[in-house]
Amino acid sequence: EPEVTQTPSHQVTQMGQEVILRCVPISNHLYFYWYRQILGQKVEFLVSFYNNEISEKSEIFDDQFSVERPDGSNFTLKIRSTKLEDSAMYFCASGLGWGSGYGYTFGSGTRLTVV
Amino acid sequence: AQTVTQSQPEMSVQEAETVTLSCTYDTSESDYYLFWYKQPPSRQMILVIRQEAYKQQNATENRFSVNFQKAAKSFSLKISDSQLGDAAMYFCAYNAGKSTFGDGTTLTVKP
Repeated sequence: EPEVTQTPSHQVTQMGQEVILRCVPISNHLYFYWYRQILGQKVEFLVSFYNNEISEKSEIFDDQFSVERPDGSNFTLKIRSTKLEDSAMYFCASGLGWGSGYGYTFGSGTRLTVV
Repeated sequence: AQTVTQSQPEMSVQEAETVTLSCTYDTSESDYYLFWYKQPPSRQMILVIRQEAYKQQNATENRFSVNFQKAAKSFSLKISDSQLGDAAMYFCAYNAGKSTFGDGTTLTVKP
C-alpha cells in the first residue's frame, strides 16, 4: 500500500535554529498538507499546498514557517527560527483532491523537540 | 468556522464488549466528509472509517461502524467486540478541504 514517508522521525534542535522537515507524498496525489500536534493536544492544520503554491494556511503558519516542493517529489516544511513552543509532532499528509473523500494519507510524523 | 467536539476525553471498555465514541460538529456546508482516526502510542494517524455527508447509509468497516445523523450533526463511532489492540486515542475529523479535528478520546480496553 502506498505510503507517505517523513524524515527524520525525531529531530532535536536548539532554540533559534532552522529546521527542515521532509516528506515524500504518494506519487499520484496532488494536494499536500502539514499538521501539527503538540503533545496531549489536538491535531491542528498548518498549511495546504497545491499546484506549487499555498492554497490555505492557518494563523499558526506565520512568517517563520515556509513550505516548498523543490523537486516534484519531496514536500518540505521549514521553520526558520525555532521556539520552545514549536516542539510538537508534525504530520505530513497527501490526498488525491481537495476534500478528498478517501481521507488523507498521513505520514508517521516527525517529532520535533526544541531545547 | 467549522468545529468538532468530542465530549468524552476518556472511555473504557471490557474486551469483547461494545463501545461508542461520540462526536458532534458544526458547519454550514452541505457537502463534506467525516472521518475517525486512531492514534496508538506510536502517534501515527491511522484512518479507521470515513463517511460522505451526502450518503445516508452509515459506513461500516469490519468491527467499526458509525451512526451518522446529518441533521443533528452527530457522527459517533461504534467498536464491536473490542480488542486489546483497539486501545488508542481516537480523533473525529471533519473535512471540506482541510481537516478539523476534535480533541480526541482516549480508549482503554480492559482484559
